[in-house]
Amino acid sequence: ETGVTQSPTHLIKTRGQQVTLRCSSQSGHNTVSWYQQALGQGPQFIFQYYREEENGRGNFPPRFSGLQFPNYSSELNVNALELDDSALYLCASSPTSGRPNEQYFGPGTRLTVT
Amino acid sequence: GENVEQHPSTLSVQEGDSAVIKCTYSDSASNYFPWYKQELGKGPQLIIDIRSNVGEKKDQRIAVTLNKTAKHFSLHITETQPEDSAVYFCAASYGNFNKFYFGSGTKLNVKP
Repeated sequence: ETGVTQSPTHLIKTRGQQVTLRCSSQSGHNTVSWYQQALGQGPQFIFQYYREEENGRGNFPPRFSGLQFPNYSSELNVNALELDDSALYLCASSPTSGRPNEQYFGPGTRLTVT
Repeated sequence: GENVEQHPSTLSVQEGDSAVIKCTYSDSASNYFPWYKQELGKGPQLIIDIRSNVGEKKDQRIAVTLNKTAKHFSLHITETQPEDSAVYFCAASYGNFNKFYFGSGTKLNVKP
């Protein structure tokens, strides 16, 4: 069974640029969630995708957007990057939607905005 | 929305001692409470979870207790080992999708 993978591992961008982060779900999982983890803090929920549809969103502006593909892999896109977007971005997959259950996290993508 | 508070922020114990981390939540609708361990440079790893219809769950040296009335839950690690050193996060969730509300984390240091 393959775990959750994310790419790239690290990324450095300039303020105002756009970035795309990628995630491959654990085998058999059809639900993907994205979290932002600032240094020294707990992860903050960005949004979730279930069967290619957004299925819930946290308090993040519209410049944070996502996609889920038929193979359940996912992308997180952030436009007009700001310095405060510097964080670890985590992807988590779970086997079903419809009730809270186990989420398995990937290793994350460390984004630095300068 | 839900608010999860976690204490202490740092915890230092001697190898072999027990460690306890406590969390409180605000929304009585929360019904799923996972605990994660995060090592440096890695993503959070699920170590144990509990649902609101259960008061206690144990897995080898790790146990979680839940008090729904008081809206708090705790992680207990017995016979700590140096490899238990990490940051531990509690979380709470409810509703129809997997939106987790995380605590601010506890850095556990187990001294050999």
